[in-house]
Amino acid sequence: AQRVTQPEKLLSVFKGAPVELKCNYSYSGSPELFWYVQYSRQRLQLLLRHISRESIKGFTADLNKGETSFHLKKPFAQEEDSAMYYCALSGLGSNYKLTFGKGTLLTVNP
Amino acid sequence: NAGVTQTPKFQVLKTGQSMTLQCAQDMNHEYMSWYRQDPGMGLRLIHYSVGAGITDQGEVPNGYNVSRSTTEDFPLRLLSAAPSQTSVYFCASSAGDSAYEQYFGPGTRLTVT
Repeated sequence: AQRVTQPEKLLSVFKGAPVELKCNYSYSGSPELFWYVQYSRQRLQLLLRHISRESIKGFTADLNKGETSFHLKKPFAQEEDSAMYYCALSGLGSNYKLTFGKGTLLTVNP
Repeated sequence: NAGVTQTPKFQVLKTGQSMTLQCAQDMNHEYMSWYRQDPGMGLRLIHYSVGAGITDQGEVPNGYNVSRSTTEDFPLRLLSAAPSQTSVYFCASSAGDSAYEQYFGPGTRLTVT
C-alpha cells in the first residue's frame, strides 16, 4: 500500500529563517512525488513536482530514494508562504490518482 | 473559464437523508476525482474517473456513488448520510498529458447531524 507521512502538523518560523517541511513515503515501485499548497481562502494548487526539478516561489524539493523522502525547503521564508502544504504521491502511469499526506500548516511570523 | 465549480458551498443533512454534490469543469479534462478533507487526515480519495462512462473507487468509497455521463460533470451521491460523512468535499480535474496537476474546486462543507 502506498502511504505519505508528514510528521509535523504545525510548523512555525520567523520571516527570513530557513524552512523545511518533511515528507516521507512508502511505495513499492517508482513513485512520482508532488507538493500541493493551499493558501488561506484559495484553492488547493500544485506547487512543484519532483521530475521537473524546478524552484517555485523559492521552494525546492529533492527526491531521496534511499531515505524515501521528499522534503520541501526554502532558504528564507516569507510571510506570504504561510499556508497548508500537502505532500502527494502517485504511481508511474497513474498520476491522476494521488495519495496525500495529512498536511503541514506553515506559519511564517513577522 | 470557470475552472472547477462545486455546488452547494454548504449543506446540512440529517442522518439517513440522501443528496448529490455537484461538480463541473469546463476545461475538457479527462480525469476527475472526489476527495474528502478531514482535520488531521489530509485529503482522501473517494472516487475517480478517467473519462466519461468510466469510474473507479478510491481509498474511502463506502457510502458514496458516482457517475460520469459527460466529460464535464462528475456528481457525488451520498446514499444515506451518516455523521461520519461530515467533511469538506473537494472535486478535482486534470488533463491527460499532465494528469498530476489537479485543479481543485472550492469545496463543499457538509454537516450531517
